[in-house]
Amino acid sequence: GENVEQHPSTLSVQEGDSAVIKCTYSDSASNYFPWYKQELGKRPQLIIDIRSNVGEKKDQRIAVTLNKTAKHFSLHITETQPEDSAVYFCAAYGSNFGNEKLTFGTGTRLTIIP
Amino acid sequence: GAVVSQHPSRVICKSGTSVKIECRSLDFQATTMFWYRQFPKQSLMLMATSNEGSKATYEQGVEKDKFLINHASLTLSTLTVTSAHPEDSSFYICSAPSYLAGENIQYFGAGTRLSVL
Repeated sequence: GENVEQHPSTLSVQEGDSAVIKCTYSDSASNYFPWYKQELGKRPQLIIDIRSNVGEKKDQRIAVTLNKTAKHFSLHITETQPEDSAVYFCAAYGSNFGNEKLTFGTGTRLTIIP
Repeated sequence: GAVVSQHPSRVICKSGTSVKIECRSLDFQATTMFWYRQFPKQSLMLMATSNEGSKATYEQGVEKDKFLINHASLTLSTLTVTSAHPEDSSFYICSAPSYLAGENIQYFGAGTRLSVL
């Protein structure tokens, strides 16, 4: 099955600086890679996603890059703000027939220092 | 985006009782729903895939007799934790894929925090 690794587990960044979170996946058949933000006790919220036919996607201060050959993808947050503090999860979605499911990374606790 | 409703948000029960958690897709139909378990400061671990009209698919190590899943309609899946014990205390979250935007996007319920005394 799919295995997703995520680094770092914790990340502290000065407000205004950039944050980068990296993930690798094992199943070359995975074709969809969402990123979720989860605040304490709340549901995961989709913040950005990328599909395997695209190398990069950007939405305001958030961008995601995908390297299919190396099987890794990264989340980039620029001009960080205190409200960016949360736990971020990457995930990989396999589209194997009858086995479509998300496999999550272990999470990164991002703290923005004012 | 699509809305997934999950109830209850919090439940406290005595050891040995059963607890039912509901997951509803409010504005779309979901032939498949997913149930996750999340321990404090850890990731979401997939427990099972709920399939409308057929048996759920459980992940390795998840006791199907312990965690009963019923997907009776295209908008409702339930997870019943039977004979709950303190070690079952956790945060349970469901999700459902929506194709409203033309692409498969998973939407999550708000989660249920189960505390077994």
